[in-house]
This record gives sequence, C-alpha cells and structure tokens, in this order.
Amino acid sequence: EAAVTQSPRSKVAVTGGKVTLSCHQTNNHDYMYWYRQDTGHGLRLIHYSYVADSTEKGDIPDGYKASRPSQENFSLILELASLSQTAVYFCASSDRDDTEVFFGKGTRLTVV
Amino acid sequence: GDSVIQMQGQVTLSENDFLFINCTYSTTGYPTLFWYVQYSGEGPQLLLQVTTANNKGSSRGFEATYDKGTTSFHLQKTSVQEIDSAVYYCAMRSGGNYKPTFGKGTSLVVHP
Repeated sequence: EAAVTQSPRSKVAVTGGKVTLSCHQTNNHDYMYWYRQDTGHGLRLIHYSYVADSTEKGDIPDGYKASRPSQENFSLILELASLSQTAVYFCASSDRDDTEVFFGKGTRLTVV
Repeated sequence: GDSVIQMQGQVTLSENDFLFINCTYSTTGYPTLFWYVQYSGEGPQLLLQVTTANNKGSSRGFEATYDKGTTSFHLQKTSVQEIDSAVYYCAMRSGGNYKPTFGKGTSLVVHP
C-alpha cells in the first residue's frame, strides 16, 4: 500500500528559529508536494518536485525552502520561522499527472 | 491557470439527510476530477475519481457526477450518517500540469 510518512508529527518552534519537516515515501512516485492547511484556506501548495534534485515553487513559497535529495525524500525548510507559519503541513506524492495524490498524516507546527 | 471553486465552506445535516456539494473547474487542458475526504487528525484520502468517459464515479455510498457543459462536478449522498462527518475536497488534475488543484474544502457535520 502506498505510504507517505512525515516527521515529526508535531513541533513547537521558536520565532526566528530554523525548522525542517521531513517526508519519506515508499510509493516509487516521481511527484512530491508540500501543502499547508489553514482553516478557511483549504490546502495550499508551497513547493513541489517532479524529479530528485529539483524543486519548484508552488502557490505560496515565500518563507519556505524545499529539498529533494532522492526520489523518496522531500523536506520543507523554514529558515526563520514566524508566527504566521503556524499551521498543519502535509506532504504528498503521486505517480503521473492524472492520478491520485497520496497524503501523509500531517505535521502540526506551532511557532511561539 | 487551472482553478477549482468550492463554494460551500460548511454544511450541517442530520442523519439520513441528502448531501450535495458542488464544485466548478476551469482549465485549458483535459481534466481528471477527484473527491477527497479528510477525517479528523488524518491526511486527505481519495474518496472517488470521476471519469470523464462516463461522467460518473461512486464509492462508499457517495456518487459524483461531471457536467462538461457547465464545467462542474458535484458530490452527493442520499442518506448521510454521523461517520460521514469530515472535510471534503474537490480536486482536479490537468494533463501536463504537475500541480493538482484543490478546492477550499467543505466541512460536513452530521448530527445523530
């Protein structure tokens, strides 16, 4: 069964600190995504990647970086965490551009 | 660019009521349409895919119908149950576009 694993599942970070959210998929999928979920905004795409060693900006990339060192791993990096980045973050993967997207269970990030 | 509009932010029903959630989409490509469901504390998961070949999709008692003329696809269920309480997202993938497009989600609350 397709699996996307996120770590950590929750994190409290200090304003101005660096945060790294990790994602690992065992689906052998080429496409990976990072979404942010906030009440009233649904799922918003931050960064995505369709091949290892390459990342693309999504719809709300400001304040975030991404890294795809291998097909299986995709990280989201907040170099200087801010209060406004408190949210739930989801990693996802998919095969082709017309197929189902598989999501991880999410990471709840609280910036204080 | 591609867009999906899901107008209903929250729907409150009683058990055995009829559910209807509508989405409209816009794309210059060939769309593949999906409905995802997100239960509390989990990531979104595929509920069903609407095939544009026969204009319908169904799963777990839910049915989705696609109308190419109005570029809309809606989700319905004849008799909802309390366990159906969740957030429902419509989504679209368009050939050649790596980025899935999600609606803002509809929070369904079903009272016993």
